[in-house]
Amino acid sequence: NAGVTQTPKFQVLKTGQSMTLQCAQDMNHNSMYWYRQDPGMGLRLIYYSASEGTTDKGEVPNGYNVSRLNKREFSLRLESAAPSQTSVYFCASSEVANQPQHFGDGTRLSIL
Amino acid sequence: DQQVKQNSPSLSVQEGRISILNCDYTNSMFDYFLWYKKYPAEGPTFLISISSIKDKNEDGRFTVFLNKSAKHLSLHIVPSQPGDSAVYFCAASVTSYDKVIFGPGTSLSVIP
Repeated sequence: NAGVTQTPKFQVLKTGQSMTLQCAQDMNHNSMYWYRQDPGMGLRLIYYSASEGTTDKGEVPNGYNVSRLNKREFSLRLESAAPSQTSVYFCASSEVANQPQHFGDGTRLSIL
Repeated sequence: DQQVKQNSPSLSVQEGRISILNCDYTNSMFDYFLWYKKYPAEGPTFLISISSIKDKNEDGRFTVFLNKSAKHLSLHIVPSQPGDSAVYFCAASVTSYDKVIFGPGTSLSVIP
């Protein structure tokens, strides 16, 4: 069972570069989420998609964009990376909003 | 201002004893609460949840207690095992909304 798959697992970028973090789930879940985890801050919601075709901002959306490509895939894009975006990024999915979420193993992103 | 607080960044317990992890929240609209466990280099995994219509929910060694008047919940692990060593996140949501708010986490170490 793959569950939630995130790619890449690690990435180093230079300030100003762009990149897209990929996320796919194989559980036929309707809702998908992107979080960032920083020391002492817990998991903060960046963007979420309650259902296919919809996306909404979370707590910390600035500097990010998302695309719900289809029911399985939800990507996160950094258009112009900044050192403050150095973090561990987690994608999650749930059958419907507010149900327990299944998480991927994270993408560790460093921006120099 | 954090809506979900876990005031103990870390906790150390002897194997076989009880572990009690605490969580406080400020938003009285929250009506669904969850606990997640996270091992290093992995994504969080759902552990147990409780609805605001209950004050206790039990699943094996794990019990969550909810005190709505105090806006406080706790996770009890009995007996604690070395494999329980992980970071535990408390999370809360409002059923009618799509977002879940996570606390900063408590790192539990169970000493053999």
